[in-house]
Amino acid sequence: KAGVTQTPRYLIKTRGQQVTLSCSPISGHRSVSWYQQTPGQGLQFLFEYFSETQRNKGNFPGRFSGRQFSNSRSEMNVSTLELGDSALYLCASRLGSPDTQYFGPGTRLTVL
Amino acid sequence: AQKVTQAQTEISVVEKEDVTLDCVYETRDTTYYLFWYKQPPSGELVFLIRRNSFDEQNEISGRYSWNFQKSTSSFNFTITASQVVDSAVYFCALSGMNRDDKIIFGKGTRLHILP
Repeated sequence: KAGVTQTPRYLIKTRGQQVTLSCSPISGHRSVSWYQQTPGQGLQFLFEYFSETQRNKGNFPGRFSGRQFSNSRSEMNVSTLELGDSALYLCASRLGSPDTQYFGPGTRLTVL
Repeated sequence: AQKVTQAQTEISVVEKEDVTLDCVYETRDTTYYLFWYKQPPSGELVFLIRRNSFDEQNEISGRYSWNFQKSTSSFNFTITASQVVDSAVYFCALSGMNRDDKIIFGKGTRLHILP
């Protein structure tokens, strides 16, 4: 079974731009979660989607948004990028809750 | 509130030594899950183990073993006869068993295995 895939793997953007990251979960998994990982803050939870509905949300500004499609694929959008948004963005999928999360390889975003 | 503490920020050991990574958790839930993940330099978090609060039996998988002690709220991870390939950041995590429960991660322990 294929694992979680994330595209793109690397992105370079400039301040003020917006970006969309994509995540395809493991086949059959209906839950997708997003995390931001930075050296200073560690792994921080952004949000979780289950069957196209946001189930949980972390403490991030409204510039961070997401959605999930009927095929469980998910996208995360960050608008008006700031330098501090430079991070590794990880996506994880699970069958449902509470189940083990399986992570993708991440998208490394650099904001210049 | 739930919390996971990995007090060891960084550890270095020489290859073939044994090493234990500590994890202490806080939760008011009576039922919960504990996890360990490995993050090699490539960046992807690799699932290692999940333990539920009902089962305090220790687990061994090859060179890896886990010691779960409810009395001290700890879930420690030991690597026996460490190898260079074990170099990674290791995360301990905690989750309730309800549908809407999030997984709470510790800040991770960076492990260096020196040849």
